[in-house]
Amino acid sequence: LAKTTQPISMDSYEGQEVNITCSHNNIATNDYITWYQQFPSQGPRFIIQGYKTKVTNEVASLFIPADRKSSTLSLPRVSLSDTAVYYCLVDGGATNKLIFGTGTLLAVQP
Amino acid sequence: GAGVSQSPSNKVTEKGKDVELRCDPISGHTALYWYRQSLGQGLEFLIYFQGNSAPDKSGLPSDRFSAERTGGSVSTLTIQRTQQEDSAVYLCASSFRRLDREGNSPLHFGNGTRLTVT
Repeated sequence: LAKTTQPISMDSYEGQEVNITCSHNNIATNDYITWYQQFPSQGPRFIIQGYKTKVTNEVASLFIPADRKSSTLSLPRVSLSDTAVYYCLVDGGATNKLIFGTGTLLAVQP
Repeated sequence: GAGVSQSPSNKVTEKGKDVELRCDPISGHTALYWYRQSLGQGLEFLIYFQGNSAPDKSGLPSDRFSAERTGGSVSTLTIQRTQQEDSAVYLCASSFRRLDREGNSPLHFGNGTRLTVT
């Protein structure tokens, strides 16, 4: 099971682009990379999922290099409401046990 | 449609009492997960169900913890003889996950049950 490593915390200001990188050096061929966002007193919610190269949706982009040993979640023009904990999860369906990493606490300042 | 529903949202119990936490997954989701989150901490995996079966129970912290799922739907997490260290938010998630396919449907989480043991 691929272990993930993320920065514990990041600071940003409103309107800036934020990039959060997750390392997963022993990712397996079948593994997908999924990012979740968690606000206080709520369960995590799905943001974006990808396998390789770049994926974009209405809220974020996910960049995955060719070796897939890391991934970067990009949040364009963050606002105060983007303050949350962001988790990356690597999963290929080979195991039942989905282990989340420590997550990254993003604090957006005015 | 409705999301994952957990009840109660808050539970205060005395040390030594038993508690039952309930999870109603999204209709049709085959997989169901329980996680525990202590204050300011990450998500601790507890147990996973595929249908009604839980093949890996190694994440349960002690033999005071048990879980079941009936009819491929509702799940109950039971904690016997609660201790103060059991105080945490217990999160349930469900998905269409299958082990025999590449890529996985994302997990859909409930908002958890906040358990306080006094």
